[in-house]
Amino acid sequence: DQQVKQNSPSLSVQEGRISILNCDYTNSMFDYFLWYKKYPAEGPTFLISISSIKDKNEDGRFTVFLNKSAKHLSLHIVPSQPGDSAVYFCAAETDKLIFGTGTRLQVFP
Amino acid sequence: DARVTQTPRHKVTEMGQEVTMRCQPILGHNTVFWYRQTMMQGLELLAYFRNRAPLDDSGMPKDRFSAEMPDATLATLKIQPSEPRDSAVYFCASGLGHRGGGNTIYFGEGSWLTVV
Repeated sequence: DQQVKQNSPSLSVQEGRISILNCDYTNSMFDYFLWYKKYPAEGPTFLISISSIKDKNEDGRFTVFLNKSAKHLSLHIVPSQPGDSAVYFCAAETDKLIFGTGTRLQVFP
Repeated sequence: DARVTQTPRHKVTEMGQEVTMRCQPILGHNTVFWYRQTMMQGLELLAYFRNRAPLDDSGMPKDRFSAEMPDATLATLKIQPSEPRDSAVYFCASGLGHRGGGNTIYFGEGSWLTVV
């Protein structure tokens, strides 16, 4: 039973444009939502988070939006850069972190 | 530079052999997680500990997997006997566990396991 779902396994975006990565969840008890970024042959690293009581959090080029009624969150990257090419995992927290299946983002020149 | 350390980085073993993966969490972190990365399941939680006590190991195949924390600086994940379907990248992560805190956890570089 996948509580956190990332339905798009891959996304390709041109440099300078917006990247939008999506995530859906099923458990309304999650307290926080996080995004992690993973490069090949490395462990995932924390990118940005949002509390369940907020609907937006911004950090530089990265913004996370939360729609609790739809049980949906998204990560916006503006402008996208080639160095953003990686796998992005959405995660949701109770007392543990549950991750989605990941979306591979490719930013091309 | 505090980081989670995992050994071995790469392991190739024959089916039926025992495999032990080790993890040294970041000093001071009280929560340790074991995840497995597969194409189909993404980052799958196998087990986690808080203050060395196992809290949840429901993600592990109980008949062949076991996880322990002999002390605060060492966590182990053992597979016995190993099977080809266990081939994956196994990640250890540590953090300061408290609910509702945006519980950022820090990952090691992973142990790449291949069972032939």
